[in-house]
Amino acid sequence: EVHLLESGGTLVPPGGSLRLSCAASRFTFSSYAMTWVRQAPGKGLEWVSTISNSGGTTFYADSVQGRFTISRDNSKNTLHLQMNSLRADDTAVYYCAKGTIAARYFDFWGQGTLVTVSS
Amino acid sequence: EIVLTQSPATLSLSPGERATLSCRASQSVSGYLAWYQQKPGQAPRLLIYDASNRATGIPARFSGSGSGTDFTLTISSLEPEDFVVYYCQQRNNWPLTFGQGTRLEIK
Repeated sequence: EVHLLESGGTLVPPGGSLRLSCAASRFTFSSYAMTWVRQAPGKGLEWVSTISNSGGTTFYADSVQGRFTISRDNSKNTLHLQMNSLRADDTAVYYCAKGTIAARYFDFWGQGTLVTVSS
Repeated sequence: EIVLTQSPATLSLSPGERATLSCRASQSVSGYLAWYQQKPGQAPRLLIYDASNRATGIPARFSGSGSGTDFTLTISSLEPEDFVVYYCQQRNNWPLTFGQGTRLEIK
């Protein structure tokens, strides 16, 4: 079955930067769009960013536009999220998720990685 | 941005009963709506996509309906493991958006 494993979450001070990664396996990574979704502690789900299968097209939530950059390396089956100018309200569990054929639903998710922005 | 409003926020029922969860969109999303289930400490799981199609491996007691702005997730006979949180999500427009969730609790 599809496997997604996030890494990189940690405690970072406000204004800091962090790079999350998601290692994908057991499916043809280069054929599917990939997405980051986050969940603040005790809160609901928030879509963050999506990248097309080729990496040529990206979409961002307004809340992260200009601060976060999504990217992928299809040769290494890896998804990334570069997060700059981090704020306290970026504190959340960050999930990577595989898109369905329709791309904008998510049929497999990683276990998540916790990012805490605090001084 | 399309706002999805789920109701009720919390639904109290007993095992074996029928559950009806609602998701209303601030503008039409056509039929492009999904439902996810999230158990404590776990990632969400896709249940229903395009309003009424069950995802792979999802039991038949889960069904979805609706189009336009009003959607429903129905669980025909609640099992103990169904008492968790459910989210709707639209894919009709960017940004993709989720509802705030409905918590299903044991009465």
